[in-house]
Amino acid sequence: DAKTTQPTSMDCAEGRAANLPCNHSTISGNEYVYWYRQIHSQGPQYIIHGLKNNETNEMASLIITEDRKSSTLILPHATLRDTAVYYCIVRVGNQGGKLIFGQGTELSVKP
Amino acid sequence: KAGVTQTPRYLIKTRGQQVTLSCSPISGHRSVSWYQQTPGQGLQFLFEYFSETQRNKGNFPGRFSGRQFSNSRSEMNVSTLELGDSALYLCASSLVGEGGNTIYFGEGSWLTVV
Repeated sequence: DAKTTQPTSMDCAEGRAANLPCNHSTISGNEYVYWYRQIHSQGPQYIIHGLKNNETNEMASLIITEDRKSSTLILPHATLRDTAVYYCIVRVGNQGGKLIFGQGTELSVKP
Repeated sequence: KAGVTQTPRYLIKTRGQQVTLSCSPISGHRSVSWYQQTPGQGLQFLFEYFSETQRNKGNFPGRFSGRQFSNSRSEMNVSTLELGDSALYLCASSLVGEGGNTIYFGEGSWLTVV
């Protein structure tokens, strides 16, 4: 089973920041938090990942709480093209290339 | 740098037939994983190969199999196809499959079983 809990759906106004929450209360010390998104019928696209510290790249920022039990993915200026299903995944350390996907959050960016 | 490449992109098969899907990982990546995505079950892990050996396996019947070649390219095979095997099959690769190595996905192969 997935080790994360995400809201089923969210709306965001175009140009505003989209903040997508994720709970992972059972995360272990060596497990990474990964975020992917999937636009309809395409392969999942990697967004960002982190272990303990907050991370930022050209796509998004990842804020991980100090106790690591939850995180937030931030898309700073959402566009219509950011409409997708966003998956938060806890990558188990000894599971190699295996990812366990939950249902994700369906983000709708509206004009 | 080329991404993960999957072939074919679309195919239609008849019940009872078998199918082989191919995946070329990102250059230098040695871990290749396969996933099945259906509307009802979502994205599910099939198996992972690393250095030509299956390292992880999901909860799928033995009709689903795979292999990896010395150049890290991988194939998966589904025998005795059933209607429920209609799905998007995704291949993903990473350097060595450890926690900090990002996993990248291909665009998938759409299989329709009729």
